Amino acid sequence: NAGVTQTPKFQVLKTGQSMTLQCAQDMNHEYMSWYRQDPGMGLRLIHYSVGAGITDQGEVPNGYNVSRSTTEDFPLRLLSAAPSQTSVYFCAIRPRGAYNEQFFGPGTRLTVL
Amino acid sequence: AQSVTQLGSHVSVSEGALVLLRCNYSSSVPPYLFWYVQYPNQGLQLLLKYTSAATLVKGINGFEAEFKKSETSFHLTKPSAHMSDAAEYFCAVSGDTGNQFYFGTGTSLTVIP
Repeated sequence: NAGVTQTPKFQVLKTGQSMTLQCAQDMNHEYMSWYRQDPGMGLRLIHYSVGAGITDQGEVPNGYNVSRSTTEDFPLRLLSAAPSQTSVYFCAIRPRGAYNEQFFGPGTRLTVL
Repeated sequence: AQSVTQLGSHVSVSEGALVLLRCNYSSSVPPYLFWYVQYPNQGLQLLLKYTSAATLVKGINGFEAEFKKSETSFHLTKPSAHMSDAAEYFCAVSGDTGNQFYFGTGTSLTVIP
């Protein structure tokens, strides 16, 4: 998983609850990103960061917040979970000098009831 | 803007037969193209990438893909399917910055013994 760790692996929330999905890497990669994977829709980019203090929106940012206070960590926050956010979430990194390829963490499976 | 379309959400082949998974792209800039594989309950693994160095790209596990600009295609092939190839396959495209990846909806490959 290219040195990318994600916690937790599984999570069940009730509608309206908040939580933070954690993503960490220890190889000093500047670029990190979050995707959600839904059946029949592939992976869609939520937010990404090109370095500490810099974040930007992807295709589906609504309902999610991110921050990047350190190079190592890129947490994804759900402030008020909704059933539509039931999904598998993947964090990814892009190594320096790579031809834009991204490498993915093992994922977090989130269910919102 | 970039996008990819994967034709066929499910493909079945017999063990030993040719595997052909189709991907067409749309890009306003010279694209970087990728194929990823996802085994059940796992993250995504990079199979191969096109970076304009060569139109025929060889990847891991005997897979290869050919970039055809005139057809805006990047189809994935393998001469002889193996049972272990059963998985979901995703085509993806990024632009020159690599900050935003766009994935296809995926093709589930079944290998029949």
